[in-house]
Amino acid sequence: EIVLTQSPATLSLSPGERATLSCRASQSVRSYLAWYQQKLGQAPRLLIYDTSDRATGIPARFSGSGSGTDFTLTISSLEPEDFAVYYCQQRSNWPFTFGGGTQVEIK
Amino acid sequence: QVQLQESGPGLVKPSQTLSLTCTVSGGSMSSGDYYWSWIRQPPGKGLEWIGYIYYSGSTYYNPSLKSRVTISVDTSKNQFSLNLSSVTAADTAVYYCARVPGYRVGILDYWGQGALVIVSS
Repeated sequence: EIVLTQSPATLSLSPGERATLSCRASQSVRSYLAWYQQKLGQAPRLLIYDTSDRATGIPARFSGSGSGTDFTLTISSLEPEDFAVYYCQQRSNWPFTFGGGTQVEIK
Repeated sequence: QVQLQESGPGLVKPSQTLSLTCTVSGGSMSSGDYYWSWIRQPPGKGLEWIGYIYYSGSTYYNPSLKSRVTISVDTSKNQFSLNLSSVTAADTAVYYCARVPGYRVGILDYWGQGALVIVSS
C-alpha cells in the first residue's frame, strides 16, 4: 500500500497570503495524484486531479505540481472560504490511499 | 447534476453488520460511464477508501477490509449498497458514497453528504 505523507499538519496564514502544501508518496505514483478540500461537517470536494488538472468550477488560484513522489498544492492568494483541511490522494495503485491532511487555518 | 445520498442505521451493535445504501439521482448507474465507491472517515481522522463497484457487479475491495466487506448494486433502483460485517468500535465513522469516472478510475468527483455510523452497545 502506498503511504502519502502530508506536511505541514497545520498551516497558519492570513487571507491574501500564499499557501504551499506538500504531499510525499512512499513510492512513485507517476502523475496520479489528486487534492481534495474538506470543510467542517462537509464531504471532501475534488480540487485537482492528475497532479495539475483543476476540477470543474475550481478557481485558478488553486494549482498543483510535482511528479513521482513529491507533489505540491499551491493556493496563490487565500480567500476566506479556503480555510479548510486539504487531502492528497493517489490512484496509481489499488488500494487508492489518502494523506493524513493539512489544515489551513486563519492566523 | 448528479446527486448521491447515503441512508441507513446510525447505530450498530458490536459484532453485527453495518448496512448502508447510496441512492444516485441525476444520472443512470447503468450508463457504464462510472464506478461507484464507498469511503469512510473516523471522527477527527483521515479518509479510507473501502471499495468500489461497476454497474455490472464487478467489485474492488480494500485488502484491509476485504474479509468483511460486500458492495452490491441495484441498477433498477439506481442504488448501491455497503455491508460491513463483524463491526467493532473502530468502524465508527462517517461513511461517504461517491462517484468515480470510468475514464479516470480513482478520482472521486461527486460525493454524498455522508452518514455517521456509531458502533456501540
